Amino acid sequence: DAMVIQNPRYQVTQFGKPVTLSCSQTLNHNVMYWYQQKSSQAPKLLFHYYDKDFNNEADTPDNFQSRRPNTSFCFLDIRSPGLGDAAMYLCATSRLPGQATYEQYFGPGTRLTVT
Amino acid sequence: AQTVTQSQPEMSVQEAETVTLSCTYDTSESDYYLFWYKQPPSRQMILVIRQEAYKQQNATENRFSVNFQKAAKSFSLKISDSQLGDAAMYFCAYRSRETSGSRLTFGEGTQLTVNP
Repeated sequence: DAMVIQNPRYQVTQFGKPVTLSCSQTLNHNVMYWYQQKSSQAPKLLFHYYDKDFNNEADTPDNFQSRRPNTSFCFLDIRSPGLGDAAMYLCATSRLPGQATYEQYFGPGTRLTVT
Repeated sequence: AQTVTQSQPEMSVQEAETVTLSCTYDTSESDYYLFWYKQPPSRQMILVIRQEAYKQQNATENRFSVNFQKAAKSFSLKISDSQLGDAAMYFCAYRSRETSGSRLTFGEGTQLTVNP
């Protein structure tokens, strides 16, 4: 089945130690998103890609970076994780605006713990 | 900027009964999409139902239906014959139809409990 895959599902990192989360998709969607979700809150968009065109949200900290080497893969890099970065990180994909059915499809998330 | 408001942080329903979750939104756009997403305790976000603003007919997906009132900017979700598996956090979300409007604007969520 076509889907959005996130690895790992659980990640533990130390304060200040860089960490990378990965997302892959078999939907062949042009747009990929990264969200941060803290407990009992709505997801907060960090950035998204239209194909290779990167779009950063204004309030996304510089500590968060992203790479999209090809259509299928997208990475979230946290350069120096702080305790406040502990959260669930959700990856999502969609078709381009203007195309039919461009709702977002979400992966299962990666739960990041910072010790 | 668009905003989405879910005024019910928590709701509960008895199994087999009907529950309605409320959502209001604010926008100056005339064409957009509205969604209800479900996030069970396992945390994967799943699309429940979608409504195109240009369609007057309310969307329906099996036991899930919406009451879309465009003039009132209201988009409620009705769950009929509630099941234990419906217990989850439900998010209402807005998306512009414009080419630049790719992002979803989420409401704060409603935690639904289904009592046996």
